Amino acid sequence: DVKVTQSSRYLVKRTGEKVFLECVQDMDHENMFWYRQDPGLGLRLIYFSYDVKMKEKGDIPEGYSVSREKKERFSLILESASTNQTSMYLCASSKGQGGGYTFGSGTRLTVV
Amino acid sequence: AQKVTQAQTEISVVEKEDVTLDCVYETRDTTYYLFWYKQPPSGELVFLIRRNSFDEQNEISGRYSWNFQKSTSSFNFTITASQVVDSAVYFCVFHRDDKIIFGKGTRLHILP
Repeated sequence: DVKVTQSSRYLVKRTGEKVFLECVQDMDHENMFWYRQDPGLGLRLIYFSYDVKMKEKGDIPEGYSVSREKKERFSLILESASTNQTSMYLCASSKGQGGGYTFGSGTRLTVV
Repeated sequence: AQKVTQAQTEISVVEKEDVTLDCVYETRDTTYYLFWYKQPPSGELVFLIRRNSFDEQNEISGRYSWNFQKSTSSFNFTITASQVVDSAVYFCVFHRDDKIIFGKGTRLHILP
């Protein structure tokens, strides 16, 4: 069964900490995405990548960075976590143009 | 600019009733993709269907059916004989090149 795996389901971090959210897919998909989901705001795209070592800013990249050193892994980094980054983070992957997305089960991050 | 509108924020129906979720999109593009995703309480987004802009053929899959009408820029989703397990948030998504736009979602409650 093909999958997108996010390393943590729940995470609690302190303000100012550096946070790594890991995402791994086993489908050999070229495209990977990071979204955050907040009540009333829906899903918002943070960053995406169409190839290894490539990254593009989404709609809300401020306060985040990403890393894609291998095709199957796409990491989201919060350099200095803040309370307004408390959210559900969803990773997704897709193949080619217009391919359907496969989502991970999400990481609920709480910054205290 | 592209836009996806799911006017129904929340819907409640009694089990076994039919229910239609509306999706209206705005674009000047001629080539694009539309998707529906389901997000059950577990949090993982599940792919339901993909349509490209040149394929207006409506589709039925079990209790699910989709009505894509380019003339009215609508891509509506109907569940026939609803079941409690259909309770979830449903998202309509527009995708063209680098642009991926999620609707705000419709929360569907199926009451026993």
